[in-house]
Amino acid sequence: EDQVTQSPEALRLQEGESSSLNCSYTVSGLRGLFWYRQDPGKGPEFLFTLYSAGEEKEKERLKATLTKKESFLHITAPKPEDSATYLCAVPNQAGTALIFGKGTTLSVSS
Amino acid sequence: GAGVSQTPSNKVTEKGKYVELRCDPISGHTALYWYRQSLGQGPEFLIYFQGTGAADDSGLPNDRFFAVRPEGSVSTLKIQRTERGDSAVYLCASSPNPGQVYEQYFGPGTRLTVT
Repeated sequence: EDQVTQSPEALRLQEGESSSLNCSYTVSGLRGLFWYRQDPGKGPEFLFTLYSAGEEKEKERLKATLTKKESFLHITAPKPEDSATYLCAVPNQAGTALIFGKGTTLSVSS
Repeated sequence: GAGVSQTPSNKVTEKGKYVELRCDPISGHTALYWYRQSLGQGPEFLIYFQGTGAADDSGLPNDRFFAVRPEGSVSTLKIQRTERGDSAVYLCASSPNPGQVYEQYFGPGTRLTVT
């Protein structure tokens, strides 16, 4: 069964304190790994898609990387506005939907 | 341009009642998805539409749940005989090209509370 596991569940950082979030997956034939950001009371907002091991993508203070078994979302010098829940997801076997992890809730304090 | 919109934003109903949740996808997006998100969980797939037809409804939990997309744009998720366990945020997403990528754009959700 395809699974997506994210760790840690929650992460508290001081402003400027860099860290990484982990997303491990077990799927047959990965056809993309997706990162989303979700603010309280809102729907998930698309951040990145990664398709092959070794691929990296960046957006402002965020960088996503992919290996054959996991993906990392690196946050460099975070700011309070980076506080949110970060979700990763992979397509299901049929390619008809995304399977999401439970997310990592990031809190950045100034 | 306009994103995915969902109405109502909040819905409170009594156990046993019928509810309808509406989704307006991004214009031109042929693929439409419904997910359900409980507190502390990621979104869980319910149903996927390609055009007017439900291409995959395997995520619907039981026959009390039904969804339509009659003209290939707006979709309505219908829940009969609601139960307290149906309380969750119902998210709608759309995608421009389901055959190529799965980059889905989500609406703000409808928070359903069954009392």
